[in-house]
Parts: sequence; C-alpha cells; structure tokens
Amino acid sequence: QVHLQESGPGLVKPSETLSLTCAVSGYSISSGYYWGWIRQPPGKGLEWIGSMSHSGGTYHNPSLKSRVTISVDTSTNRFSLKVSSVTAADTAFYYCARDARHTGSYYFGRWGQGTLVTVSS
Amino acid sequence: SYVLTQPPSVSVAPGQTASITCGGDNIGSKNVHWYQQKPGQAPVLVVYDDSDRPSEIPERFSGSTSRSTATLTISRVEAGDEADYYCQVWDSSSDVVFGGGTKLTVL
Repeated sequence: QVHLQESGPGLVKPSETLSLTCAVSGYSISSGYYWGWIRQPPGKGLEWIGSMSHSGGTYHNPSLKSRVTISVDTSTNRFSLKVSSVTAADTAFYYCARDARHTGSYYFGRWGQGTLVTVSS
Repeated sequence: SYVLTQPPSVSVAPGQTASITCGGDNIGSKNVHWYQQKPGQAPVLVVYDDSDRPSEIPERFSGSTSRSTATLTISRVEAGDEADYYCQVWDSSSDVVFGGGTKLTVL
C-alpha cells in the first residue's frame, strides 16, 4: 500500500521560502509515476502546484511557475517543494500526491494527509 | 485558462440518488476525474477517466460525461457520503484544473 507523508515548517515569514518534503513508502519513486503537489487554502478549493518524475520531467501551474521548485530524491524515496517569496495568499494545506500523467490520465490516485502552512510574521 | 464549473451545494435524502455536475468547454473530449473530501481529511479519488472506479470505491459511485457536462452520480446515498466533491481534468493550456467543489449534504 502506497503511503505519502508531508513534513516541514508550519509557519513561514512573508517574503521567505516555503519548503516541504513528502516521504513515500510502499512504492519506489524510481519505478514510475509523477509526484505532485496540490494546495488548498482553508475553506477553499484545490489548486495544483506542479508535478515531477524521477527522471526529471517537470510540469508546473503556469500561475505559480516562477516561484516553484520541485525536486525528487530517489536515494531517500522523497520529493520536495519550494515556494519562494511567499505572502499570506500562500497560506494553505499542502498535499503531496502520486500523479498518473505518464499513463495519459492525469489523476491523483494517492494523497498524503496534508500539512497546514501559515505565512505570517 | 480552462474553467470547470460546479454547483456550490447539492442536497439529497438518505437512500436517494445524488447527481453532481461539472461543466466545461467541450468537457466530453477530456478525461474527467472526481475526488471526495471529508472534513479534515485529504481528497480521495472516487472516479477516474470519466467512469472508472478504484477497486476500494463502492459501486454506488459512478461517472458519466456528455459534450458539455460531466456528472458524478451517487446511488443509495448514505450519511457517510456527506463531503465536498471536486472534478478535475487536464487541459493543454492549463495542465491540471480542478472545479470549485460541491458540498453534498445528506438531509
């Protein structure tokens, strides 16, 4: 059973960089799939941030692309998200998820439990 | 950018059938996926590729599409189905797009 778990600071100051990591168990990242990040401001809807494969293929939400970096570490079976120059608008629950885009079907079949990141001084 | 439109809320009595719609330009030409999100929990995939269901999802959940609308149908609704439901597609200009979500209330 694939399991994903997010970790990282719950509080980030404005203008700084948000950094999160997703640990994957029960499946080797290097075996396939893409690995993505989705966020959800409290009480609002879902927003895809971006996805990356173990071989480096990367896709980003055009509205966030300039501030987002996604990386994959196959040696630790983890992948990470960085969002630079954060503002209060980046306050959200952040979810990591397995992205099936390599099949031609762009859905997220497994999700982490999510972690709340608050941007505040 | 591509936009998916969902009704903010749908209400249904237990045992009845709930239909949640998702509208988008020529959505019938796209693969539509549906997620269920209960309060305080992560989303769960309930339908993918318009009408396929992950093995752990009950047969009561089904999906369909027409040229302009995708529909998630929940038969024999139970109290435990009360949740937010999101549709999602991939579009060549926007990549992954989610609908705004529909809150299903079981009366």
